[in-house]
Amino acid sequence: GENVEQHPSTLSVQEGDSAVIKCTYSDSASNYFPWYKQELGKRPQLIIDIRSNVGEKKDQRIAVTLNKTAKHFSLHITETQPEDSAVYFCAASWGANAGKSTFGDGTTLTVKP
Amino acid sequence: EAGVVQSPRYKIIEKKQPVAFWCNPISGHNTLYWYRQNLGQGPELLIRYENEEAVDDSQLPKDRFSAERLKGVDSTLKIQPAELGDSAVYLCASSRYIGTGSGYTFGSGTRLTVV
Repeated sequence: GENVEQHPSTLSVQEGDSAVIKCTYSDSASNYFPWYKQELGKRPQLIIDIRSNVGEKKDQRIAVTLNKTAKHFSLHITETQPEDSAVYFCAASWGANAGKSTFGDGTTLTVKP
Repeated sequence: EAGVVQSPRYKIIEKKQPVAFWCNPISGHNTLYWYRQNLGQGPELLIRYENEEAVDDSQLPKDRFSAERLKGVDSTLKIQPAELGDSAVYLCASSRYIGTGSGYTFGSGTRLTVV
């Protein structure tokens, strides 16, 4: 089955700096890669996603890049703010809809004011 | 639209007791998932439904866990008997079957503590 590895497990940045979280996956059949943000005690919420036919996608301060050949994808957050502090999960999925997602173990991002 | 609704939010039970969790997905979402999230880890899939059919239950511990999705809408996940290691957050999620995909919408989860 699919295996997703996520790095780093913890990341601390100064407000205004950029943050990058990287994930690798094992199954070349995976074609959908969502990212979720989970604040303490709350549900994971989809923040951005990318399909395998696209190399990069951007939404305001958040961007995701995908390298299918190397089987890795990354989340980039620019101009970080304290409210970006949360646990971020990547996932790899296949199927016409979200299908079966395999999640990484998460990255705890702390943005220091 | 209303989100994915789960109940209860919290449950504390003694080991060997039964427990049940309920989920109401977003209207029109054909696919429903039950995930288990242990502390400090990502969600792990337990079972996936397409309408009322369980299409992936390979990671459901079938000796003690059971699930149903009657009429392809609400779903119930049951554990009987519960063990200490079952303590976790149980997340329900739903998604719409469309070509472009839209990721999951998660419910708030049920935090289970087995003592």
